[in-house]
Amino acid sequence: NAGVTQTPKFQVLKTGQSMTLQCAQDMNHNSMYWYRQDPGMGLRLIYYSASEGTTDKGEVPNGYNVSRLNKREFSLRLESAAPSQTSVYFCASGWVGELFFGEGSRLTVL
Amino acid sequence: EDQVTQSPEALRLQEGESSSLNCSYTVSGLRGLFWYRQDPGKGPEFLFTLYSAGEEKEKERLKATLTKKESFLHITAPKPEDSATYLCDHLRGGTSYGKLTFGQGTILTVHP
Repeated sequence: NAGVTQTPKFQVLKTGQSMTLQCAQDMNHNSMYWYRQDPGMGLRLIYYSASEGTTDKGEVPNGYNVSRLNKREFSLRLESAAPSQTSVYFCASGWVGELFFGEGSRLTVL
Repeated sequence: EDQVTQSPEALRLQEGESSSLNCSYTVSGLRGLFWYRQDPGKGPEFLFTLYSAGEEKEKERLKATLTKKESFLHITAPKPEDSATYLCDHLRGGTSYGKLTFGQGTILTVHP
């Protein structure tokens, strides 16, 4: 049972480049989430999807877009990466507040 | 505005020294309160859900309790491997249903 799988695990981008972080879960959860975590700071919610076909903004959505492709997959896109988006990104899925997190994707924007 | 506040920000304990972490909330109509543990470099790990005042749940050296205004995470005879950041949040309703945000949490360090 893989749980929540994120790809890639590491990525280096140049300012202005675009990329998509992929997330897939195999636990049949309705809700999926994208968070970012910066050194010394707590998790901040970027976007979430309470169910297939819906997405909503979290605390820090600017500069990001998301797609809930189906019940299993929830992707996060950076259209024009900026150094301020250097962070560790966590995807999670769950049901009624009980979330399971992926291992994280470490993104560096130069 | 509904919110949760955790205290203290950091807690240092000696191995075996029991203590408690606090999560206070101003939510009207609590639908559920959650505790998580996060180790450095990893995503949070779910620990407990509490739904109503008086409810208690235990896991190894951890016990979570809930009153009408706050939740406590009691750590009995902690070990160094209990060192982590502990997070709490609550389940939101209405148009924010399912939205789960985390504060900075309490950083627990247990010294041998």
